[in-house]
Amino acid sequence: NAGVMQNPRHLVRRRGQEARLRCSPMKGHSHVYWYRQLPEEGLKFMVYLQKENIIDESGMPKERFSAEFPKEGPSILRIQQVVRGDSAAYFCASSPGTPETYEQYFGPGTRLTVT
Amino acid sequence: KQEVTQIPAALSVPEGENLVLNCSFTDSAIYNLQWFRQDPGKGLTSLLLIQSSQREQTSGRLNASLDKSSGRSTLYIAASQPGDSATYLCAVAGNTPLVFGKGTRLSVIA
Repeated sequence: NAGVMQNPRHLVRRRGQEARLRCSPMKGHSHVYWYRQLPEEGLKFMVYLQKENIIDESGMPKERFSAEFPKEGPSILRIQQVVRGDSAAYFCASSPGTPETYEQYFGPGTRLTVT
Repeated sequence: KQEVTQIPAALSVPEGENLVLNCSFTDSAIYNLQWFRQDPGKGLTSLLLIQSSQREQTSGRLNASLDKSSGRSTLYIAASQPGDSATYLCAVAGNTPLVFGKGTRLSVIA
């Protein structure tokens, strides 16, 4: 059973460009989470999605950031008009059920660098 | 707002020693607590999950305890090895899917 997959592993964008980060959950997992790890900071929750639904986006910046988890295909975290402060490692996790009960399994992360 | 604190921030021990990592959280209304390991530049590996109704979980040389009422968890590592060198993260699931501590960076010296 393949683990959580994220691509690309490294992404370089110039200020003002768009960044699209992809996450394929583990087989059988329908719950996806995105977290961000800023340099020298802990991991911070961004958004929690179930197929076609956003369950909790309380950690998402109000502007420029959006996430989706369509019926078919990977979950996408989209950052529009990137700024230097968006440079971070973005981790995706998945679980077979709700976070109250189930363990979350993490992918290797996408390291975004904004130049 | 839930806050998770891990002490110490860094720890260096000789190979073979037993050690304890500490985690505390401010809001005891949690569903579960997870311990993770993160190697430099890598993702997170889940080590142990403790449900709020449980007191401890064991996996190999690792033992994690949970005292929900006092807002504390410990991760005990027996007979440490150089391969255990990594950052260990504690995270609690409550109103937010997971709230993380900043981790303890462990170095095991051969």
